[in-house]
Amino acid sequence: NAGVTQTPKFQVLKTGQSMTLQCAQDMNHEYMSWYRQDPGMGLRLIHYSVGAGITDQGEVPNGYNVSRSTTEDFPLRLLSAAPSQTSVYFCASSRRAGGNNEQFFGPGTRLTVL
Amino acid sequence: TQLLEQSPQFLSIQEGENLTVYCNSSSVFSSLQWYRQEPGEGPVLLVTVVTGGEVKKLKRLTFQFGDARKDSSLHITAAQPGDTGLYLCAGLGGSNYKLTFGKGTLLTVNP
Repeated sequence: NAGVTQTPKFQVLKTGQSMTLQCAQDMNHEYMSWYRQDPGMGLRLIHYSVGAGITDQGEVPNGYNVSRSTTEDFPLRLLSAAPSQTSVYFCASSRRAGGNNEQFFGPGTRLTVL
Repeated sequence: TQLLEQSPQFLSIQEGENLTVYCNSSSVFSSLQWYRQEPGEGPVLLVTVVTGGEVKKLKRLTFQFGDARKDSSLHITAAQPGDTGLYLCAGLGGSNYKLTFGKGTLLTVNP
């Protein structure tokens, strides 16, 4: 199993551009989530999904959209990038929604918005 | 909003020393997880504690969940350079779907 994969690994955008961060998992996990990690701020939840077709907002959802059309994929869309969205983004999955929600993380995407 | 405070924020020690990292909150959590993150990688789960007062051991690492399920500690015995990394605690509170992460303790073990 590849686990949780994320592409791209690095990305530079200009303010106002849009892009999609890709996330896929091959473990048949129900739950998937997106976090951003900023210095001194820890990991903050952006959006999450408890199954295909179901998504909900986390702590910092503004400026981001998600969809979950399949169990495997959970892309994160930046609608109009802003410098405040410069961060490292992690996708994670968990075997099932509920329970202890133990997360398997991807390797991250480092995004810079100029 | 549930908050988890980790201390210390930074810790630099010599190989062979012991250390303890703390994770504290005013909120009750149904379970608490510890992760380790190395530079350029995603966090990796070390352990989950569920029951108040629970103690779990993972080789030289000892994890404890407070009796009231509001706090946790990670103790490392005889630290090694391979223990270097960012240690994160994460709590599961009112919603089973949302983990709250602490800001982390950056540990450096010098040879």
